[in-house]
Amino acid sequence: AQSVSQHNHHVILSEAASLELGCNYSYGGTVNLFWYVQYPGQHLQLLLKYFSGDPLVKGIKGFEAEFIKSKFSFNLRKPSVQWSDTAEYFCAVSPSGGYNKLIFGAGTRLAVHP
Amino acid sequence: DGGITQSPKYLFRKEGQNVTLSCEQNLNHDAMYWYRQDPGQGLRLIYYSQIVNDFQKGDIAEGYSVSREKKESFPLTVTSAQKNPTAFYLCASSVPQAGEQYFGPGTRLTVT
Repeated sequence: AQSVSQHNHHVILSEAASLELGCNYSYGGTVNLFWYVQYPGQHLQLLLKYFSGDPLVKGIKGFEAEFIKSKFSFNLRKPSVQWSDTAEYFCAVSPSGGYNKLIFGAGTRLAVHP
Repeated sequence: DGGITQSPKYLFRKEGQNVTLSCEQNLNHDAMYWYRQDPGQGLRLIYYSQIVNDFQKGDIAEGYSVSREKKESFPLTVTSAQKNPTAFYLCASSVPQAGEQYFGPGTRLTVT
């Protein structure tokens, strides 16, 4: 069965620290990959997505993610976090083409301290 | 403003009662979805609909029912058969095959 694994459930950082959140998926075919973010009290919103092409994708608010096909990974990175990045982050996978059913990881809660 | 609305934001029910959660979108999307979010489990798909008058079960459909009579609306009924209904419910919509889904603000249901 398809699945998505996020290795870190809780991450605590100080402002200006670098961030990397791990995401691995299990699916044999071609996939579309997403990172969603849920800020406290706000809608779940798309941070960035990968469909094809350059495996390094840039999203909103200075986030980026790299798709490494050989490792089935799509890790999220930010060089310098801010207090406003405190949120829950979800990695999601969808088989390419056809109906776009999303499989979500369990999420990572990030707390950034000033 | 285009978007997805879910009402109410908080809902309280007694055990044994059915309850219906509302989801409306004005994005002109064909596809709509219902997810359940529990702490530490991410989002799990309950039901989805790719087109009006058609819907399919997701991974955890037992104890839930839906209808899709209009393109804009996809209500979810949590029945008394759902063993653990207390959760945060999220509705989403998308253009089919586009990949990206847009989410509503969610309804937090508490059943006691």
